Amino acid sequence: GQQVMQIPQYQHVQEGEDFTTYCNSSTTLSNIQWYKQRPGGHPVFLIQLVKSGEVKKQKRLTFQFGEAKKNSSLHITATQTTDVGTYFCAGRGSWGKLQFGAGTQVVVTP
Amino acid sequence: NAGVTQTPKFQVLKTGQSMTLQCAQDMNHEYMSWYRQDPGMGLRLIHYSVGAGITDQGEVPNGYNVSRSTTEDFPLRLLSAAPSQTSVYFCASSYNRGRPPTDTQYFGPGTRLTVL
Repeated sequence: GQQVMQIPQYQHVQEGEDFTTYCNSSTTLSNIQWYKQRPGGHPVFLIQLVKSGEVKKQKRLTFQFGEAKKNSSLHITATQTTDVGTYFCAGRGSWGKLQFGAGTQVVVTP
Repeated sequence: NAGVTQTPKFQVLKTGQSMTLQCAQDMNHEYMSWYRQDPGMGLRLIHYSVGAGITDQGEVPNGYNVSRSTTEDFPLRLLSAAPSQTSVYFCASSYNRGRPPTDTQYFGPGTRLTVL
C-alpha cells in the first residue's frame, strides 16, 4: 500500500490567497522531492529536501522538511493562475524506492 | 539534449494485443523507471533499472516486461493488453538512485494508452 500520504487531494484557491499541501510518511525519509505537473503535462522537478527541519524557498513557494523527516509541506503565497496543476511529493525511505504521494490538484479561481 | 523521449504519445489497443512503449534518454543516466498514472492514485512504479542489463520490479509489475540492453533505452512491453492497463505511462530517468541531489527524476512527456 501507499506509504506516502498527501493531503488534501483537491485544493480550490481564489487568486491571491495562500494555501498549503502536506505530505506524510509512516517511516523516516532520507530525502523528499516535490514535483509539479501541469494539466496534460508531465511531472517536473521543483525541489529536494534532505536535512531535518530544512526550509527552502522558490519565489512564492516555501518547502519544509519536518524535524523527524517524516513529513513535508509546500506553502504557496499569493496564488496565481500559473500555479494551476498537480503537486506531488515523493519520498525515499528505508524501502529504497522513491514513493510518490497521490498528489494535490490545485485549481485557481480568478 | 532531448532529455527523456517517449513514443508513441497516444495508443489505442484491443484487449489481448501486445505492444512496446519506447523510452530513451540522452543524459547518460544510470537509473531509469516506468510509472503509470491513474486518477487519484498518483504515480506508481512498474519496473526500474539501475543500469544496463539490470532490471527489477516496482509496485505494479504484473502484465509488463522490461529490458535494458543499453544505457539510453528502456522499453516497456505489454504482453497481453487488458482494460485495467488503460493509463498514462511515464518514463523517468535520474543520474543515480538514492544519492541526493542526483536522484531527482526527469520525466518523459508520457504515453496515453487506452485498451478497449
